[in-house]
Amino acid sequence: DAMVIQNPRYQVTQFGKPVTLSCSQTLNHNVMYWYQQKSSQAPKLLFHYYDKDFNNEADTPDNFQSRRPNTSFCFLDIRSPGLGDAAMYLCATSRFGGTQETQYFGPGTRLLVL
Amino acid sequence: AQTVTQSQPEMSVQEAETVTLSCTYDTSESDYYLFWYKQPPSRQMILVIRQEAYKQQNATENRFSVNFQKAAKSFSLKISDSQLGDAAMYFCAYRSAKTGNQFYFGTGTSLTVIP
Repeated sequence: DAMVIQNPRYQVTQFGKPVTLSCSQTLNHNVMYWYQQKSSQAPKLLFHYYDKDFNNEADTPDNFQSRRPNTSFCFLDIRSPGLGDAAMYLCATSRFGGTQETQYFGPGTRLLVL
Repeated sequence: AQTVTQSQPEMSVQEAETVTLSCTYDTSESDYYLFWYKQPPSRQMILVIRQEAYKQQNATENRFSVNFQKAAKSFSLKISDSQLGDAAMYFCAYRSAKTGNQFYFGTGTSLTVIP
């Protein structure tokens, strides 16, 4: 089935040690999003790619970066994770990014920072 | 920024009964979209139902329907004939028709279905 896949589902890293989270999609959608969801909080958009164009939210910390080498894959890089970065990270896609469009979510990667 | 409020962190319903989840939002815009997403335990978030603000008619999808009150900025979700598979976290979300990409989510309501 066409879907949004996130690997790994659980990631443990050490304070300050760079970590990369992966997202892939078989929907051939143009837009890919990364959200951060902390415990008992709403998901918060970090950034998105419209094709190869990167769009960063104004309040996303510099510690968070992203790469999209091709249509199917998008990576979230956390350069120096802090304890406050422990969260669920959700990847989502939409076909053209239109305001009326549904976003399709992956199952998320839960990041633990020790 | 727009805010979305879900005032019920947890709800429970007896199987086959009806439950209503509340959502309110704050916006100065007149054109926007509202969504309910469902996130089952350890599974991905999926769309349940969507409402366009310019439509007066409430959206329905099988057992799921909404009560959209634009003036009151209220968007509740009604689940009829609740099933065990409805147990999940439900998120209400707002999206501007103009600025597009940002979904504003509520903090979610955890629904338990009692057999």
